[in-house]
Amino acid sequence: DADVTQTPRNRITKTGKRIMLECSQTKGHDRMYWYRQDPGLGLRLIYYSFDVKDINKGEISDGYSVSRQAQAKFSLSLESAIPNQTALYFCATSGNRDRDGSTEAFFGQGTRLTVV
Amino acid sequence: SQQGEEDPQALSIQEGENATMNCSYKTSINNLQWYRQNSGRGLVHLILIRSNEREKHSGRLRVTLDTSKKSSSLLITASRAADTASYFCATVPNSGGYQKVTFGTGTKLQVIP
Repeated sequence: DADVTQTPRNRITKTGKRIMLECSQTKGHDRMYWYRQDPGLGLRLIYYSFDVKDINKGEISDGYSVSRQAQAKFSLSLESAIPNQTALYFCATSGNRDRDGSTEAFFGQGTRLTVV
Repeated sequence: SQQGEEDPQALSIQEGENATMNCSYKTSINNLQWYRQNSGRGLVHLILIRSNEREKHSGRLRVTLDTSKKSSSLLITASRAADTASYFCATVPNSGGYQKVTFGTGTKLQVIP
């Protein structure tokens, strides 16, 4: 099984609909992230969480919300989807740098979201 | 230019040749990482080089870091068709943890069998 699992893998939704993307991890990491990837723009950070009670906005949080239900679960919601939220979304985890001595991240396989 | 900007944007080589990709960045870093992404898939971590290191090897990968020029290069030797993917550099700044990492826009590598 993958260390970081995202569901669904693909989703088509209509403008104005609420949608949730889910992420779970078996790495035992405290830190989790949501990114979106658009062609030619690289990855941009939407939200991140350092533990269950710690949620932080990233570079492009407008139109998104998150929930950290448990150490292993971090979900991303689009309250009212719009077409420019069509993108590839990635969840990632990283260990605590002080504890692990490194900050490499582990990514899920991605969710391709299309808003029509 | 963007932090963590890769050059070239696209590269096409024959199998067996070496592939070199470059990354430039602007601010002081704790470390720089290279990731690989197969089409439409998640990123996979390849190698991490710390700011006090100049060169690092992992299998057919060789990474160099020049902090005075704020640049890094990734060399893939004896390329294979399976190396076809996009490669991203990611810079982790001194001032914080991974949440402040900046990804480049990537180099798309095509290895022709």
